[in-house]
Formats: sequence, C-alpha cells, structure tokens
Amino acid sequence: GAGVSQSPRYKVAKRGQDVALRCDPISGHVSLFWYQQALGQGPEFLTYFQNEAQLDKSGLPSDRFFAERPEGSVSTLKIQRTQQEDSAVYLCASSLELAGYEQYFGPGTRLTVT
Amino acid sequence: KNQVEQSPQSLIILEGKNCTLQCNYTVSPFSNLRWYKQDTGRGPVSLTIMTFSENTKSNGRYTATLDADTKQSSLHITASQLSDSASYICVAGLSGGYNKLIFGAGTRLAVHP
Repeated sequence: GAGVSQSPRYKVAKRGQDVALRCDPISGHVSLFWYQQALGQGPEFLTYFQNEAQLDKSGLPSDRFFAERPEGSVSTLKIQRTQQEDSAVYLCASSLELAGYEQYFGPGTRLTVT
Repeated sequence: KNQVEQSPQSLIILEGKNCTLQCNYTVSPFSNLRWYKQDTGRGPVSLTIMTFSENTKSNGRYTATLDADTKQSSLHITASQLSDSASYICVAGLSGGYNKLIFGAGTRLAVHP
C-alpha cells in the first residue's frame, strides 16, 4: 500500500474486554512506533520497534498493554482487561531508517471503552 | 521533564488572512523541531522539520522558524484557505537512538469564509 494502514478504524469495547489493534507499516520501513492520543491532546509515545525487536516500551501505561511485531512488518497492539481510561486514538507510525527523521502516520484506531 | 507547550489553544481566522502559531519546548537532548498538521480523524502529516542549526524552513504557504537559544518555534500560515482548518502540532525530537518525539497538545485552527 501507499501509506500506513490501521485496523479497525473504530473499536467499541466493554470494560474488561481484550482488544487487538493492527498496524500495517509502509513496506520496507524498519522503524515502527505506537502512540496514544487522548481527546484534545497530542500523541504520546507508547513503544518502538526496530524490525522485530521492541527496543523501547517505556511509554506503555501498564502491563495490560502489549505490542508485538513478530516478522518485522505488521504490528499488533493488544490491551487486556480494557478500562475507561484506555479510551483514545491509537496511532501507528513507520520510518524507513533506523533513526529516520520522517515518521509516516496511519489514520489511527479510535477505541471507546464503555 | 521533556515537554512542549503551544499557544494559542485554538484560533479562528478569516479566509485569506495570515496567522502565527507559537511553540516553546523544554527537551533534552534536543535534535530537531517539527510541525505537523492533523485533520480531524486523520493521522498527523509532516509540514516541516528543522535541526537545531536551522532558523527557518518553508513548505508552500507554511513557514516555520526556530530559535534554539530561547527554545521557541513558530509556524506562520500565509493567505489561509478553508482547507487549513486542522490541528497544528509542534513536536521536538530527541537526539541519540531512534529520534523519540515529544508532542505538544496542538493549536486548533478554524478558517472561516
């Protein structure tokens, strides 16, 4: 594809349910980032992958959050036992190089926990 | 604590007018300063990226400035269009490693006819 894609675009979950959010980065991009964007706020860093290696997960808010990128391309962000405070837009971005300047963002997944 | 602050929070201007958005950052170690445009329901799109040694960079009707001494940046939009209505986010990149980004909360711009 031409850009970063994410699915689903919208997800409604009942409190306590597990969710999985998918990111398809631009083909060949080495770096992949996940961000959380609360309503009216800027994105906040969650985690970073270089190929299949998760090099930084310091932004994950709790151990209910888990991300993987097993083959160095598609990535999944999983949230277990969702809470209302998890409601946000989850953005994925990819970058061609290891320390590439340009990050290309997907459209995001809007998660609403009821 | 690394942080980026933007002002104003929101702004309304008439089509054809100019405007300037402000950004202050406290980030270390600082590498670069970016401005992104985010339309409602979309991901951010890069407008400009400046390293600490650059003072200004333009992208069409968008001109960004950077003063690394005072840790301030601005984004000037010339001859605004209705399609400029969006959030504009100031972002500071950290040096070393993978270029971790620190985002501001954004300025929500509405351009009215």
